[in-house]
Amino acid sequence: AQKITQTQPGMFVQEKEAVTLDCTYDTSDQSYGLFWYKQPSSGEMIFLIYQGSYDEQNATEGRYSLNFQKARKSANLVISASQLGDSAMYFCAMREGFNDYKLSFGAGTTVTVRA
Amino acid sequence: EPEVTQTPSHQVTQMGQEVILRCVPISNHLYFYWYRQILGQKVEFLVSFYNNEISEKSEIFDDQFSVERPDGSNFTLKIRSTKLEDSAMYFCASSDQGAGNTIYFGEGSWLTVV
Repeated sequence: AQKITQTQPGMFVQEKEAVTLDCTYDTSDQSYGLFWYKQPSSGEMIFLIYQGSYDEQNATEGRYSLNFQKARKSANLVISASQLGDSAMYFCAMREGFNDYKLSFGAGTTVTVRA
Repeated sequence: EPEVTQTPSHQVTQMGQEVILRCVPISNHLYFYWYRQILGQKVEFLVSFYNNEISEKSEIFDDQFSVERPDGSNFTLKIRSTKLEDSAMYFCASSDQGAGNTIYFGEGSWLTVV
């Protein structure tokens, strides 16, 4: 079974609008962490935001926020006030357990911001 | 802001040749990783390294792969005899210890095997 599922292969969004990228996860661990990374066309992997399974508040980092719904096992990324520079591939990833630091990645969602 | 640096950014090599990809993790980090991404595909975990030994490796990380921390700053991935299917972007990453610590990635090394 897939540990991370991103069902939207591609999305278009108008500049200055918000966009929500879906991510669902599958784990039996009680302790886990959820990450979002941005990969522009240049290829690097840029960390955006992190949510721990025990965090009660949804994580926010500037224009990025993570809508964490534990019971539904979803960790959607919301990008507010989209900018042209937000056009990129976005990956959701999960780390399971206290002693396991590797990440399992989803297939990614390509976001294209239109002027 | 501290960052993970990787060299080379791009390497073209002939099938069967040995390749070494180099990484300088963030200086106070204790956990080091290699991931790879074949063009258009998912990012895949290869190996994690802690306390001078491999802590975990994936099925992809077979005998042709090896990792080393030859000194206090570098972390290398060696592919002994490259195959066409090794062509991919290879990412080095590092993290501090403790739950909830972010894993930071380098900019990647594109490997093209011809």
